[in-house]
Amino acid sequence: GAGVSQSPSNKVTEKGKDVELRCDPISGHTALYWYRQSLGQGLEFLIYFQGNSAPDKSGLPSDRFSAERTGGSVSTLTIQRTQQEDSAVYLCASSLERGETQYFGPGTRLLVL
Amino acid sequence: RKEVEQDPGPFNVPEGATVAFNCTYSNSASQSFFWYRQDCRKEPKLLMSVYSSGNEDGRFTAQLNRASQYISLLIRDSKLSDSATYLCVVNGAGTASKLTFGTGTRLQVTL
Repeated sequence: GAGVSQSPSNKVTEKGKDVELRCDPISGHTALYWYRQSLGQGLEFLIYFQGNSAPDKSGLPSDRFSAERTGGSVSTLTIQRTQQEDSAVYLCASSLERGETQYFGPGTRLLVL
Repeated sequence: RKEVEQDPGPFNVPEGATVAFNCTYSNSASQSFFWYRQDCRKEPKLLMSVYSSGNEDGRFTAQLNRASQYISLLIRDSKLSDSATYLCVVNGAGTASKLTFGTGTRLQVTL
């Protein structure tokens, strides 16, 4: 079946612009996660959605970052007033239930000039 | 102390060698443990879950030591295609479903 998809696959933007990244989780998965991975670094947790519960936003690095998940499916991660240090690969993952195996999308490579 | 700690490596081993990675975790209440594999410029993919009794999948063996709070991954008869970064992943039991990823151990298998 279809896996997790993300768009765009690559995004180049200018410092100060806003960007929106999209994630389509696997159908039926109730949990959705956003991570960030800088070059040569580990995964940095950003935000987690579980069903209709309030999201866990504890990993968002600043108030320029926000995310929403509409209808319990598609999620968008928005970065406002992008900075060069925001350049990274943004990975989305989904899982069937809490604590279950996470399946990752291919990521969005963001470059802020 | 980091929630999940791994030796970043790289581990450079010849084809056919046996190599083992360890990973330590800080939350004694953690319940779920996994090893993921990440190839260069690719997304992480599940390699195997780690069960209390240990588990084996072909050339790969994973073990859990709750008393010492570490998990291990053993790769026998290494192949060139095993070259990748191996991520240790632990469930943060108190934060329901939030998995914490280690920074990974890089393995390079050479001829």
